[in-house]
Parts: sequence; structure tokens; C-alpha cells
Amino acid sequence: DQQVKQNSPSLSVQEGRISILNCDYTNSMFDYFLWYKKYPAEGPTFLISISSIKDKNEDGRFTVFLNKSAKHLSLHIVPSQPGDSAVYFCAASGMMRSQGNLIFGKGTKLSVKP
Amino acid sequence: KAGVTQTPRYLIKTRGQQVTLSCSPISGHRSVSWYQQTPGQGLQFLFEYFSETQRNKGNFPGRFSGRQFSNSRSEMNVSTLELGDSALYLCASSLESTNEKLFFGSGTQLSVL
Repeated sequence: DQQVKQNSPSLSVQEGRISILNCDYTNSMFDYFLWYKKYPAEGPTFLISISSIKDKNEDGRFTVFLNKSAKHLSLHIVPSQPGDSAVYFCAASGMMRSQGNLIFGKGTKLSVKP
Repeated sequence: KAGVTQTPRYLIKTRGQQVTLSCSPISGHRSVSWYQQTPGQGLQFLFEYFSETQRNKGNFPGRFSGRQFSNSRSEMNVSTLELGDSALYLCASSLESTNEKLFFGSGTQLSVL
């Protein structure tokens, strides 16, 4: 059973518009969430994270929102750029910040059209 | 600072063979973890090594094993390869044994024929 779900396998957005990538989780014990970005032929790179004590974290064009009651988080990219085209993975962790406790979603492929 | 280096980048093997993958973490990082990525399953945790000791292990059969050397370099071994082992194997390093920020290598693409 998937504990971290990214229900949209792909998303296409026009350059300059907002990209919204969604992630749902089922385990209420998760308290730390991360987003990774992956280009083809490269490993994932850390993008942004959020702790459950916050509902928003911002870093430049990237903002992550956390809705604990809905067990939902989203990544907003504003404005979207062609270089943002990549696969985005959502990940969640419980209080034990061990590697084995990090659960990844299956990813959403974002395409930003010029 | 050099990133995480994985070798080889590509590997083709046949069923029943064994394979060894290598990972050199970022200098100073003591934790190395391995993940399997397949198109339908995303990233799945294999195991983590910290200071030469296995800290955590994912839900994979015993055919998957690993080790870490005193210089923090790590190897992963898969014995008796099956077709379903075809995947991208990613190595990640971190300073300490936490999952708060991982640095991934580019991976080894393994194809089992």
C-alpha cells in the first residue's frame, strides 16, 4: 500500500505560469516532507523541505504548502521556466530521521513549454 | 567539492549472474544509502551504511547486499540476477545518518537479459 502518492504522473505548463505538483500521504506519523527534482541521466537533487510544525516554506520560486488535516502537500513553482522540466519526487519521513524511514512517491513529470 | 560518484553508469547482465555496483560519497560524508528506481515503483530504499555498519535495510531479498569501507566508499552486490532486477540503482550520501538532505549520484542503469 502506497503511503506517499503522487496521483498525476505528468503535468504540462506554459512558461511563466504556475506549476502545482501535488502529493498525498496516508501515515499521520509523517512529520517531515521533502521534494526532489530529477533530470534524465542524473540523480535526484534536493529542492525544498517542510516540517509538520509549519504550513508553508518558501525558497525563491519554489513554495511548499502542507495541509496536515488533509494529509496533502503541494509544490508551487512560480514562474515556471523550461529548465524546470524534470521529474519531481515527493518524500515523507517519520520522527525517526533514518534513511529507511524515508518514503518516496512515484514522481510527477513536469514539462514546461516555451 | 566532488559529488557522489557511481560506477559503472550502465551494465548489461544475464539472468543468474551477479553484479557489483560502486559508490563514492561526497568527501566527509559518512552515510551511504542505496535506492532502486523502476518506472512503476519510484524510489525504493535498499539499505544504508554508516561508518561501515548497516544501519537500515529495506524490504528486498537477501540477494541484495552491500558493504561500506573505511573510506566511506560503498559497494552493492546483487546475486543470481532476475529480469525484475532491471532498474536504475541510485546511491545517496549524507553527512550524518539522517534523511533530511540526501545527495544522490547519477545512478547505475542495470539491464538484466
